[in-house]
Amino acid sequence: DSGVTQTPKHLITATGQRVTLRCSPRSGDLSVYWYQQSLDQGLQFLIQYYNGEERAKGNILERFSAQQFPDLHSELNLSSLELGDSALYFCASSVEGGYSSYNEQFFGPGTRLTVL
Amino acid sequence: GDSVTQMEGPVTLSEEAFLTINCTYTATGYPSLFWYVQYPGEGLQLLLKATKADDKGSNKGFEATYRKETTSFHLEKGSVQVSDSAVYFCALSDHYGGSQGNLIFGKGTKLSVKP
Repeated sequence: DSGVTQTPKHLITATGQRVTLRCSPRSGDLSVYWYQQSLDQGLQFLIQYYNGEERAKGNILERFSAQQFPDLHSELNLSSLELGDSALYFCASSVEGGYSSYNEQFFGPGTRLTVL
Repeated sequence: GDSVTQMEGPVTLSEEAFLTINCTYTATGYPSLFWYVQYPGEGLQLLLKATKADDKGSNKGFEATYRKETTSFHLEKGSVQVSDSAVYFCALSDHYGGSQGNLIFGKGTKLSVKP
């Protein structure tokens, strides 16, 4: 158990809908990262938050957004869903925000999103 | 931009065989290198890491050495077990190359170990 929790575990929805994925980082970790794992694209970094502020953006679509709340949990919002958004979405957390020489990230179990 | 290339699988081995999974990288800064493992139905777990050239990471019998001259970080294990069956991901985190510490992953290599 990494200490990172994600809910829900599975999500099935229809095209055009909007969903919210939730992540609670390990106790004491200030940084949250979101990754998407799909068969064709592999594991891709989406976005990072550090202590409530956006720190870095990767290959995140404009239809997707995220935020980190004062209690440090994070939510990833996916809207106008398309079939191609079906994937496993992972959250990871780390103590620091990446400006050190080493940045170990601890991964949650993931949320499997299926868009029908 | 930064990238990681690892050998494509699947790799099927018999128990007690020697394992090598090749990984090479491209980075503009001074990356840290990682191997993560994903067991069926689970999230990713850090297997081992190396933060500078010539460092050797090791854990659970797995080893990998950070080779800057060949930009490689190959994963090895002398004697695999059935319980090692999983998907292995090579990754880098480039702290000065603009990626702000996020991980860049290879496509993963699925390992199956037969008894």
